[in-house]
Amino acid sequence: NAGVTQTPKFQVLKTGQSMTLQCAQDMNHNSMYWYRQDPGMGLRLIYYSASEGTTDKGEVPNGYNVSRLNKREFSLRLESAAPSQTSVYFCASEKGMWMNTEAFFGQGTRLTVV
Amino acid sequence: AQSVAQPEDQVNVAEGNPLTVKCTYSVSGNPYLFWYVQYPNRGLQFLLKYITGDNLVKGSYGFEAEFNKSQTSFHLKKPSALVSDSALYFCAVRDSYNQGGKLIFGQGTELSVKP
Repeated sequence: NAGVTQTPKFQVLKTGQSMTLQCAQDMNHNSMYWYRQDPGMGLRLIYYSASEGTTDKGEVPNGYNVSRLNKREFSLRLESAAPSQTSVYFCASEKGMWMNTEAFFGQGTRLTVV
Repeated sequence: AQSVAQPEDQVNVAEGNPLTVKCTYSVSGNPYLFWYVQYPNRGLQFLLKYITGDNLVKGSYGFEAEFNKSQTSFHLKKPSALVSDSALYFCAVRDSYNQGGKLIFGQGTELSVKP
C-alpha cells in the first residue's frame, strides 16, 4: 500500500525560484492537507482541500498556492521561494474532515531555500 | 478560533516508569481530539482519538489519553514507558462548531525514554 506519496523528498532552491511539491494518495480520500514543520513551531496548516474541487487557506498561506488536480492529487506551489520557506513540508489525507477519521501523512519534503 | 497547546517541549522518563505528555485545547464548540507520533525522518502516525463517549481512550502501542472537559485537556499516558517510545508527539484538535473543520496541531513534545 503506497498511502500518501510526496515528491520530491529533498530540494534546494535559490531565492526567487519557483517549484511545485506533488502529493498523491491512493486511499480514495476526500480531504487533503499541506503542513509545514519548523523547530519549535510544530505543524502549521498551509492550505487544505475538504473535497475535490475546493481549497481553503490554513494558518500560514502567504507565499503559497495549491491545486486539487483531482481526487488523488493535491499540489503545493511556491511561486517565488524565500529563505523563510525553508522547512519540511508534509502532505496528509483523510477520508473526510466531517467524518473525524485519522489522517495519513506522507514522508515529507525537506526544502532548503538559499 | 481553535487552538491547541503542548506546554512541554521535552519530557524525559526512565524505562518502565509511567509517562504523561500534556495537551490543552481551545475550541468554540465540542472538541475532536487526536494524538499522533513522529519518528525521525518520518511522517506522522495516528495513535488515538476522542470524538465522544468515554473520557479514557485507548490507542496503539499501549497508549491511552484522558479527555477532561472542565480542564480542556487531553493528556497522553502510558503505564510503562519503553525506549522505543522515544519520538515526537503531537496533539491535534478539530472544532465541531466549524462543521468539517480543519485539523490544527500543537507544537509537539519530544519524549525521551532512557534505559
